[in-house]
Amino acid sequence: GAGVSQSPRYKVTKRGQDVALRCDPISGHVSLYWYRQALGQGPEFLTYFNYEAQQDKSGLPNDRFSAERPEGSISTLTIQRTEQRDSAMYRCASSPPSTNNQFFGPGTRLTVL
Amino acid sequence: QKEVEQNSGPLSVPEGAIASLNCTYSDRVSQSFFWYRQYSGKSPELIMSIYSNGDKEDGRFTAQLNKASQYVSLLIRDSQPSDSATYLCAVNFWNYGGSQGNLIFGKGTKLSVKP
Repeated sequence: GAGVSQSPRYKVTKRGQDVALRCDPISGHVSLYWYRQALGQGPEFLTYFNYEAQQDKSGLPNDRFSAERPEGSISTLTIQRTEQRDSAMYRCASSPPSTNNQFFGPGTRLTVL
Repeated sequence: QKEVEQNSGPLSVPEGAIASLNCTYSDRVSQSFFWYRQYSGKSPELIMSIYSNGDKEDGRFTAQLNKASQYVSLLIRDSQPSDSATYLCAVNFWNYGGSQGNLIFGKGTKLSVKP
């Protein structure tokens, strides 16, 4: 079956611009997670949803970062007024009901010039 | 102390040998433990999950959990060059509100299997 998909796969933007990263989870997966991964590090948690409810946003670095999942399926991570330090791989994962087995998408590589 | 720690390696083993990857975690109530494999330039791939003390085997992989020692390991038997990758340990800690959610990852151990 289809895995987690993310778009765009690569995004280059100028400092100060807003970007929106999209995640489409595996069909039937109710939980969706956003992580950020720097080179040579493990993924770092940003936020997660159960259905459309944002359960935990404690990992979002500051108020320029926000996420939504309005219909409990596709999610969007938005970064406003991007800064160079936001450059990273942004990964989305989803998990089925009753387990925390998280399956990752291919990621979006964000580069802020 | 970081919440999840792994030796970054590289760990080099000959083909056919047993590779042993180790992970320690902080003294917090924890629920579940995961091993992911990540090839260079690719996304993490879930290979094992373990929830209770003891061993769990799946093919050539065995996960071992010792909650008293705050230690989880992954053994790869009959290692193959295709096993060469970074192995990430992840822990799901209990949140006060009881929500089951994010994983805390270690930095990963780079494994190299030499033919």
